[in-house]
Amino acid sequence: GAVVSQHPSRVICKSGTSVKIECRSLDFQATTMFWYRQFPKQSLMLMATSNEGSKATYEQGVEKDKFLINHASLTLSTLTVTSAHPEDSSFYICSAEARLASGGTDTQYFGPGTRLTVL
Amino acid sequence: DAKTTQPPSMDCAEGRAANLPCNHSTISGNEYVYWYRQIHSQGPQYIIHGLKNNETNEMASLIITEDRKSSTLILPHATLRDTAVYYCIVPRYNFNKFYFGSGTKLNVKP
Repeated sequence: GAVVSQHPSRVICKSGTSVKIECRSLDFQATTMFWYRQFPKQSLMLMATSNEGSKATYEQGVEKDKFLINHASLTLSTLTVTSAHPEDSSFYICSAEARLASGGTDTQYFGPGTRLTVL
Repeated sequence: DAKTTQPPSMDCAEGRAANLPCNHSTISGNEYVYWYRQIHSQGPQYIIHGLKNNETNEMASLIITEDRKSSTLILPHATLRDTAVYYCIVPRYNFNKFYFGSGTKLNVKP
């Protein structure tokens, strides 16, 4: 249980184009999902919190107009990188929050990540 | 979030127990300790979490000190596939945002 998928796994695009990344919780519903970014040899950096049916909240320094997040259903959140540039090339990872039966508190389950390369 | 401190790297022989420490001296009473690992170029994998009591599951054991200021993740019989970066995270109570530190790179050697 608690499987999260991402699509696509890899994307290469030209500078100036927009790219949409999907994050799905496959066997559970997630009111809250999170988006992270990871540059080579660095740790994950939280970008934003996505709540179903409401606007995402962004971490300080993350441009909300550049990274559009939509959480239209309890199983799907999307991240759109608008007008992508080479510096946006990174590994984008989503997570979905769920509570295990024995867990006592919510836990995040991560997707496999999306490698974005902007030429 | 309570700040966590982990050694940057550790080595472990295959088949032996791997004991990964984490210091979280500013943790408050209701904050959980979570452990994840990330194998190269994959998303982090949930391992275990706990509040006060020691916890064990099919992957690992989590030992939390009585004062809760530190914890140890134990992989009882490390294999080469356990080579990964291990993250100890203590999210702020009721917020559940994860701020990842640098983690510990565990190298399991044959």
